[in-house]
Amino acid sequence: AQKITQTQPGMFVQEKEAVTLDCTYDTSDPSYGLFWYKQPSSGEMIFLIYQGSYDQQNATEGRYSLNFQKARKSANLVISASQLGDSAMYFCAMREGVPGGGADGLTFGKGTHLIIQP
Amino acid sequence: DAGVIQSPRHEVTEMGQEVTLRCKPISGHDYLFWYRQTMMRGLELLIYFNNNVPIDDSGMPEDRFSAKMPNASFSTLKIQPSEPRDSAVYFCASNHWGRGDETQYFGPGTRLLVL
Repeated sequence: AQKITQTQPGMFVQEKEAVTLDCTYDTSDPSYGLFWYKQPSSGEMIFLIYQGSYDQQNATEGRYSLNFQKARKSANLVISASQLGDSAMYFCAMREGVPGGGADGLTFGKGTHLIIQP
Repeated sequence: DAGVIQSPRHEVTEMGQEVTLRCKPISGHDYLFWYRQTMMRGLELLIYFNNNVPIDDSGMPEDRFSAKMPNASFSTLKIQPSEPRDSAVYFCASNHWGRGDETQYFGPGTRLLVL
């Protein structure tokens, strides 16, 4: 079974609209971390937001927020007021176990290609 | 602060040749990760180090791949001999778990093409 599932291969959104990118995960470990990265066409990986499994509140970073629903094992990224520069690939990723516990690498989903239209 | 530095940024080589990719992590970071990105397999972890010691190399595809971290500021990923199926973007990332920051900071990647 896939550990990270992103069900939207591609999305078209009008500029200034809010966007929700879906991510579900699969782990039996009570301690884990969830990440979202942006990869523009230039290829670099840009960290956007992080949510720890024990965090009580949803993470927010500027226009980015993470809708964390632990019971459903979902960690959707919400981008408010989308901009043309938001067009990129978006990857959801997970680290399982406690930090430094020997499983510190990230497992990535296949990504969602987001295109913002003017 | 400088981010993660990778070299070369692009590499074109012929099948059978040795390829060495280099990475300098962010100063003070004690974890270093090597990832590979391909269209078929997406982003996958190859190996990671903690305090220069390899912790998990289960993602290394085969014996043709090797990675070293001789000191805290330098790591190499070597492919010998290279094959066309090794063509990919190779990313290095680093982090330090302290201070509540779990972010893995990625380098710009090395785009490898094996002909």
